[in-house]
Amino acid sequence: EVQLVESGGGLVQPGGSLRLSCVGSGFTFNRYWMYWVRQAPGKGLVWVARITSDGSSITYADSVKGRFTISRDDAKNTLYLQMNSLRAEDTALYYCAKPGSNWALEYWGQGTLVTVSS
Amino acid sequence: EIVLTQSPGTLSLSPGERATLSCRASQSVIDSHLAWYQQKPGQAPRLLIFGASSRATGIPDRFSGSGSGTDFTLTISSLEPEDFAVYYCHQYGSTPRTFGQGTKVEIK
Repeated sequence: EVQLVESGGGLVQPGGSLRLSCVGSGFTFNRYWMYWVRQAPGKGLVWVARITSDGSSITYADSVKGRFTISRDDAKNTLYLQMNSLRAEDTALYYCAKPGSNWALEYWGQGTLVTVSS
Repeated sequence: EIVLTQSPGTLSLSPGERATLSCRASQSVIDSHLAWYQQKPGQAPRLLIFGASSRATGIPDRFSGSGSGTDFTLTISSLEPEDFAVYYCHQYGSTPRTFGQGTKVEIK
């Protein structure tokens, strides 16, 4: 059974940093592109970042470019999101997600909540 | 960036009724890489449809997707009580990937 478990969220002041983690199990982690998607309270889904299976290609949403860094450690089956210079508008539930064989995002974690507030 | 516009914003229907949700893209969606998700409060999104019209594993056949190019539709043929939720379309053919703003299907 595929499982994705996020952690690392919390309350942080504007301008601060957090690192989110997502541990995958039940699949061969190093074979898949991985994604971060976020959802502000009461709002819709927003794609944040993507990393290819070998880490050679990374793409970010414009809203986080230059502030967030996606990375992976295949030895630990773990996806990361380093978030710097956090703003109030980054407050959201952050999901990691994995595509199925059809390329659509089929598997999602339960999310980790990031709150940026003074 | 492909902007996805969903309509209506809210759909008020009774169990047993048919629901028709629309997703319009600002540009053609490459290879019909368009998915639909269902999300209930406190839960992660659940993949319903991929490739515009293929049902994901375990999804009941009352859910169907259609469309191509810039116009896509999710149809729920007869609403069950568990179908009342928010539905999102998502294009994964172009970067950045984008989501629609959602359609809430509520009980009338």
